[in-house]
Amino acid sequence: KNEVEQSPQNLTAQEGEFITINCSYSVGISALHWLQQHPGGGIVSLFMLSSGKKKHGRLIATINIQEKHSSLHITASHPRDSAVYICAPRRNTGTASKLTFGTGTRLQVTL
Amino acid sequence: NAGVTQTPKFQVLKTGQSMTLQCAQDMNHEYMSWYRQDPGMGLRLIHYSVGAGITDQGEVPNGYNVSRSTTEDFPLRLLSAAPSQTSVYFCASSYGGGAFSTDTQYFGPGTRLTVL
Repeated sequence: KNEVEQSPQNLTAQEGEFITINCSYSVGISALHWLQQHPGGGIVSLFMLSSGKKKHGRLIATINIQEKHSSLHITASHPRDSAVYICAPRRNTGTASKLTFGTGTRLQVTL
Repeated sequence: NAGVTQTPKFQVLKTGQSMTLQCAQDMNHEYMSWYRQDPGMGLRLIHYSVGAGITDQGEVPNGYNVSRSTTEDFPLRLLSAAPSQTSVYFCASSYGGGAFSTDTQYFGPGTRLTVL
């Protein structure tokens, strides 16, 4: 079983829809990143959270450390949100912390 | 700030050739890392460094070498390229990387490598 599971793998939505992407992980972590990978390949960090909830514009990320689960929500989705969204828990190993990556959720938002 | 830069953006090698992928950051970050991204798989850590002079292996280090002589640069060397090393390579950095770090990671634009 993978250490990080994301669902769904693919998601198509119409503009304006509310979107939820889920991430479950099995390792102890210090934080969790949500990343966005654009069609051109660049990767941007959207959120880093270690507890509770964070909001940035139309994006909301939540995490439940006890349940080892995080969600990324997009309100009022727009075609420019089309990208791959990657969950990356940050786990502790000895003296360093390392990211473990999900395989990503490919989101396409249509007009 | 330029952030994290990588060169080249694209590279084609023949089996057995060696090359170095360059990575540099101008944010005075201590932690730098190299990942590879393959279709259907999450990014995987190749090597990382928690500061100048200190490097360690990630989960897929075989066939790659790194060094960290300065805070800014973290080159990745392919010793003898193999088709299995065809991938997209990302360099990333963060201010800290010690245990329990919660620092944001910044990614370079990636290098697409094809080994024939």
